Amino acid sequence: AQSVTQLGSHVSVSEGALVLLRCNYSSSVPPYLFWYVQYPNQGLQLLLKYTTGATLVKGINGFEAEFKKSETSFHLTKPSAHMSDAAEYFCAVSLLGNTGKLIFGQGTTLQVKP
Amino acid sequence: GAVVSQHPSWVICKSGTSVKIECRSLDFQATTMFWYRQFPKQSLMLMATSNEGSKATYEQGVEKDKFLINHASLTLSTLTVTSAHPEDSSFYICSARVGTTGRTEAFFGQGTRLTVV
Repeated sequence: AQSVTQLGSHVSVSEGALVLLRCNYSSSVPPYLFWYVQYPNQGLQLLLKYTTGATLVKGINGFEAEFKKSETSFHLTKPSAHMSDAAEYFCAVSLLGNTGKLIFGQGTTLQVKP
Repeated sequence: GAVVSQHPSWVICKSGTSVKIECRSLDFQATTMFWYRQFPKQSLMLMATSNEGSKATYEQGVEKDKFLINHASLTLSTLTVTSAHPEDSSFYICSARVGTTGRTEAFFGQGTRLTVV
């Protein structure tokens, strides 16, 4: 069975500092990996996704993530945090040939301090 | 990008009544729609997967008689919480996908906050 683990339910960084949100997955077949952002009382917005090809994926708002098969990881990074980045971030996995349903990690709350 | 509209954004209902939540894909036809439930400060838990014109597939532990899902067209799915109780209070989110593989992006509605009093 596939699963997603996000290390750290709460991450706090200073404005301008590096953002690193960790995600590890468990899957017996090559997964598709996603990062979503959620602002309070809103739905989810896709930041980026990995399906095939280049393992370093660039997304919106300056975020990027690297798929590392050997480490079963898909960590999300941003070189310089902005106050508007404060939100809840979810890593998710879906499987090739599956109906497309997503399995979400527990979520990480990103706090950005001025 | 594709837009998924969920209505209402919030609803308060009395215990024992039923509530219907709509999920519409505004500018694309959604082969598959998903319904999630999210408790405060927690992740999204998939409740069911619905394909247009067929019965929804419910996740283990989800009461299909309590959470009725109808996917009558390629642009509309509804979730009806029947005989709602306070423990059903939660944030419900739908998503819609074009196609049936995991490769394509799922677009999410803005969510519905249900409070049962």
